[in-house]
Amino acid sequence: GQSLEQPSEVTAVEGAIVQINCTYQTSGFYGLSWYQQHDGGAPTFLSYNALDGLEETGRFSSFLSRSDSYGYLLLQELQMKDSASYFCAVRDRTGGFKTIFGAGTRLFVKA
Amino acid sequence: GAVVSQHPSWVICKSGTSVKIECRSLDFQATTMFWYRQFPKQSLMLMATSNEGSKATYEQGVEKDKFLINHASLTLSTLTVTSAHPEDSSFYICSGGGVGLAKNIQYFGAGTRLSVL
Repeated sequence: GQSLEQPSEVTAVEGAIVQINCTYQTSGFYGLSWYQQHDGGAPTFLSYNALDGLEETGRFSSFLSRSDSYGYLLLQELQMKDSASYFCAVRDRTGGFKTIFGAGTRLFVKA
Repeated sequence: GAVVSQHPSWVICKSGTSVKIECRSLDFQATTMFWYRQFPKQSLMLMATSNEGSKATYEQGVEKDKFLINHASLTLSTLTVTSAHPEDSSFYICSGGGVGLAKNIQYFGAGTRLSVL
């Protein structure tokens, strides 16, 4: 089976930097994704890592270490609108490349 | 990015009735679509993988006779919750697998909030 672990909640102030960690266990790892979901809304894609290293997309960056089964999402210059839930998700090649989500991290950004 | 349209966005129904939820890929062909269920403040739990032209693959613990999935075309997958009961009340979300250069991205519908009275 697959399992992912990420912190349940993180609080930070506007303008700060926050890192959300994710560790995973899966037999058919293909890649690690990050999604953002505001309350009542659908998840939206943020980033994807298949290889080790850092991927940067604007204020958001994502890192992967396959040997450590670990990744993180880095959010810089936090804004109030970044308050949301953030899910790490593994793309698993077993059973047809399905995507399995972690429990999610609720980020609260304070003024 | 690609667009996935999901309808209806909100359904209230009586216990014992069936509810159909549609998921359409508007600007790409989705040979595979995924159906998730999400309870408040919880994660997305994969229910099943919908495959165009063949039977859906259900995750362990998901009743296939309860949650009927049909993927009759490359742009439409439907989930029917049969004989719905209050415990089926949840947020149901579909997603389409990415294609081409965006093959590792899942594009999600807006979700359907089902309330069974």
